Amino acid sequence: EAGVVQSPRYKIIEKKQPVAFWCNPISGHNTLYWYRQNLGQGPELLIRYENEEAVDDSQLPKDRFSAERLKGVDSTLKIQPAELGDSAVYLCASSNPDRLAGGRYNEQFFGPGTRLTVL
Amino acid sequence: AQSVAQPEDQVNVAEGNPLTVKCTYSVSGNPYLFWYVQYPNRGLQFLLKYITGDNLVKGSYGFEAEFNKSQTSFHLKKPSALVSDSALYFCAIYSGAGSYQLTFGKGTKLSVIP
Repeated sequence: EAGVVQSPRYKIIEKKQPVAFWCNPISGHNTLYWYRQNLGQGPELLIRYENEEAVDDSQLPKDRFSAERLKGVDSTLKIQPAELGDSAVYLCASSNPDRLAGGRYNEQFFGPGTRLTVL
Repeated sequence: AQSVAQPEDQVNVAEGNPLTVKCTYSVSGNPYLFWYVQYPNRGLQFLLKYITGDNLVKGSYGFEAEFNKSQTSFHLKKPSALVSDSALYFCAIYSGAGSYQLTFGKGTKLSVIP
């Protein structure tokens, strides 16, 4: 089974530039998450999708961050414009909310992440 | 609101010795607890989870964790550490009440010394 795919793996940009990250979840996983992980910290949820619907975006800084999952499969997270404080690793994860697979409290499977450096 | 605490930033253990990585939790309602491991430049990998049932949970790579409700703890353990176990370990908890948000601890760096 292929894992969660993310690209690019690394991105270096200057502040005020836009940047986008792409994620393709595990096939059949309806729930997709975007996390931000700052250095020395655990991941923090930015947004959660169930199929194409963003069901929890309470922690997404909506003034500069946006996300989409148009067909309920792959997803894109965008920052525009980027700030110095956005430097972090952006992780995508997916899970299977089916009851037979453990339901909504099932484990999440993570991609390798995109390391963003804003200069 | 739910939270987990990992009181040790770093744990050092000699190869072959037992290891313990500590985690305590706070939650209203039933806890759903997880351990993940992160190797350098890689995403998090699921190790094990406690949802309900036996307090001793067995997971991947020989790891296990003991759920202790009275002490609100979920410590990760392994009887004999390997050098390849050196990594960053995260404890996490799901909130209840329809949020389904996974909250992570700050992580504990485990170093296994040959």
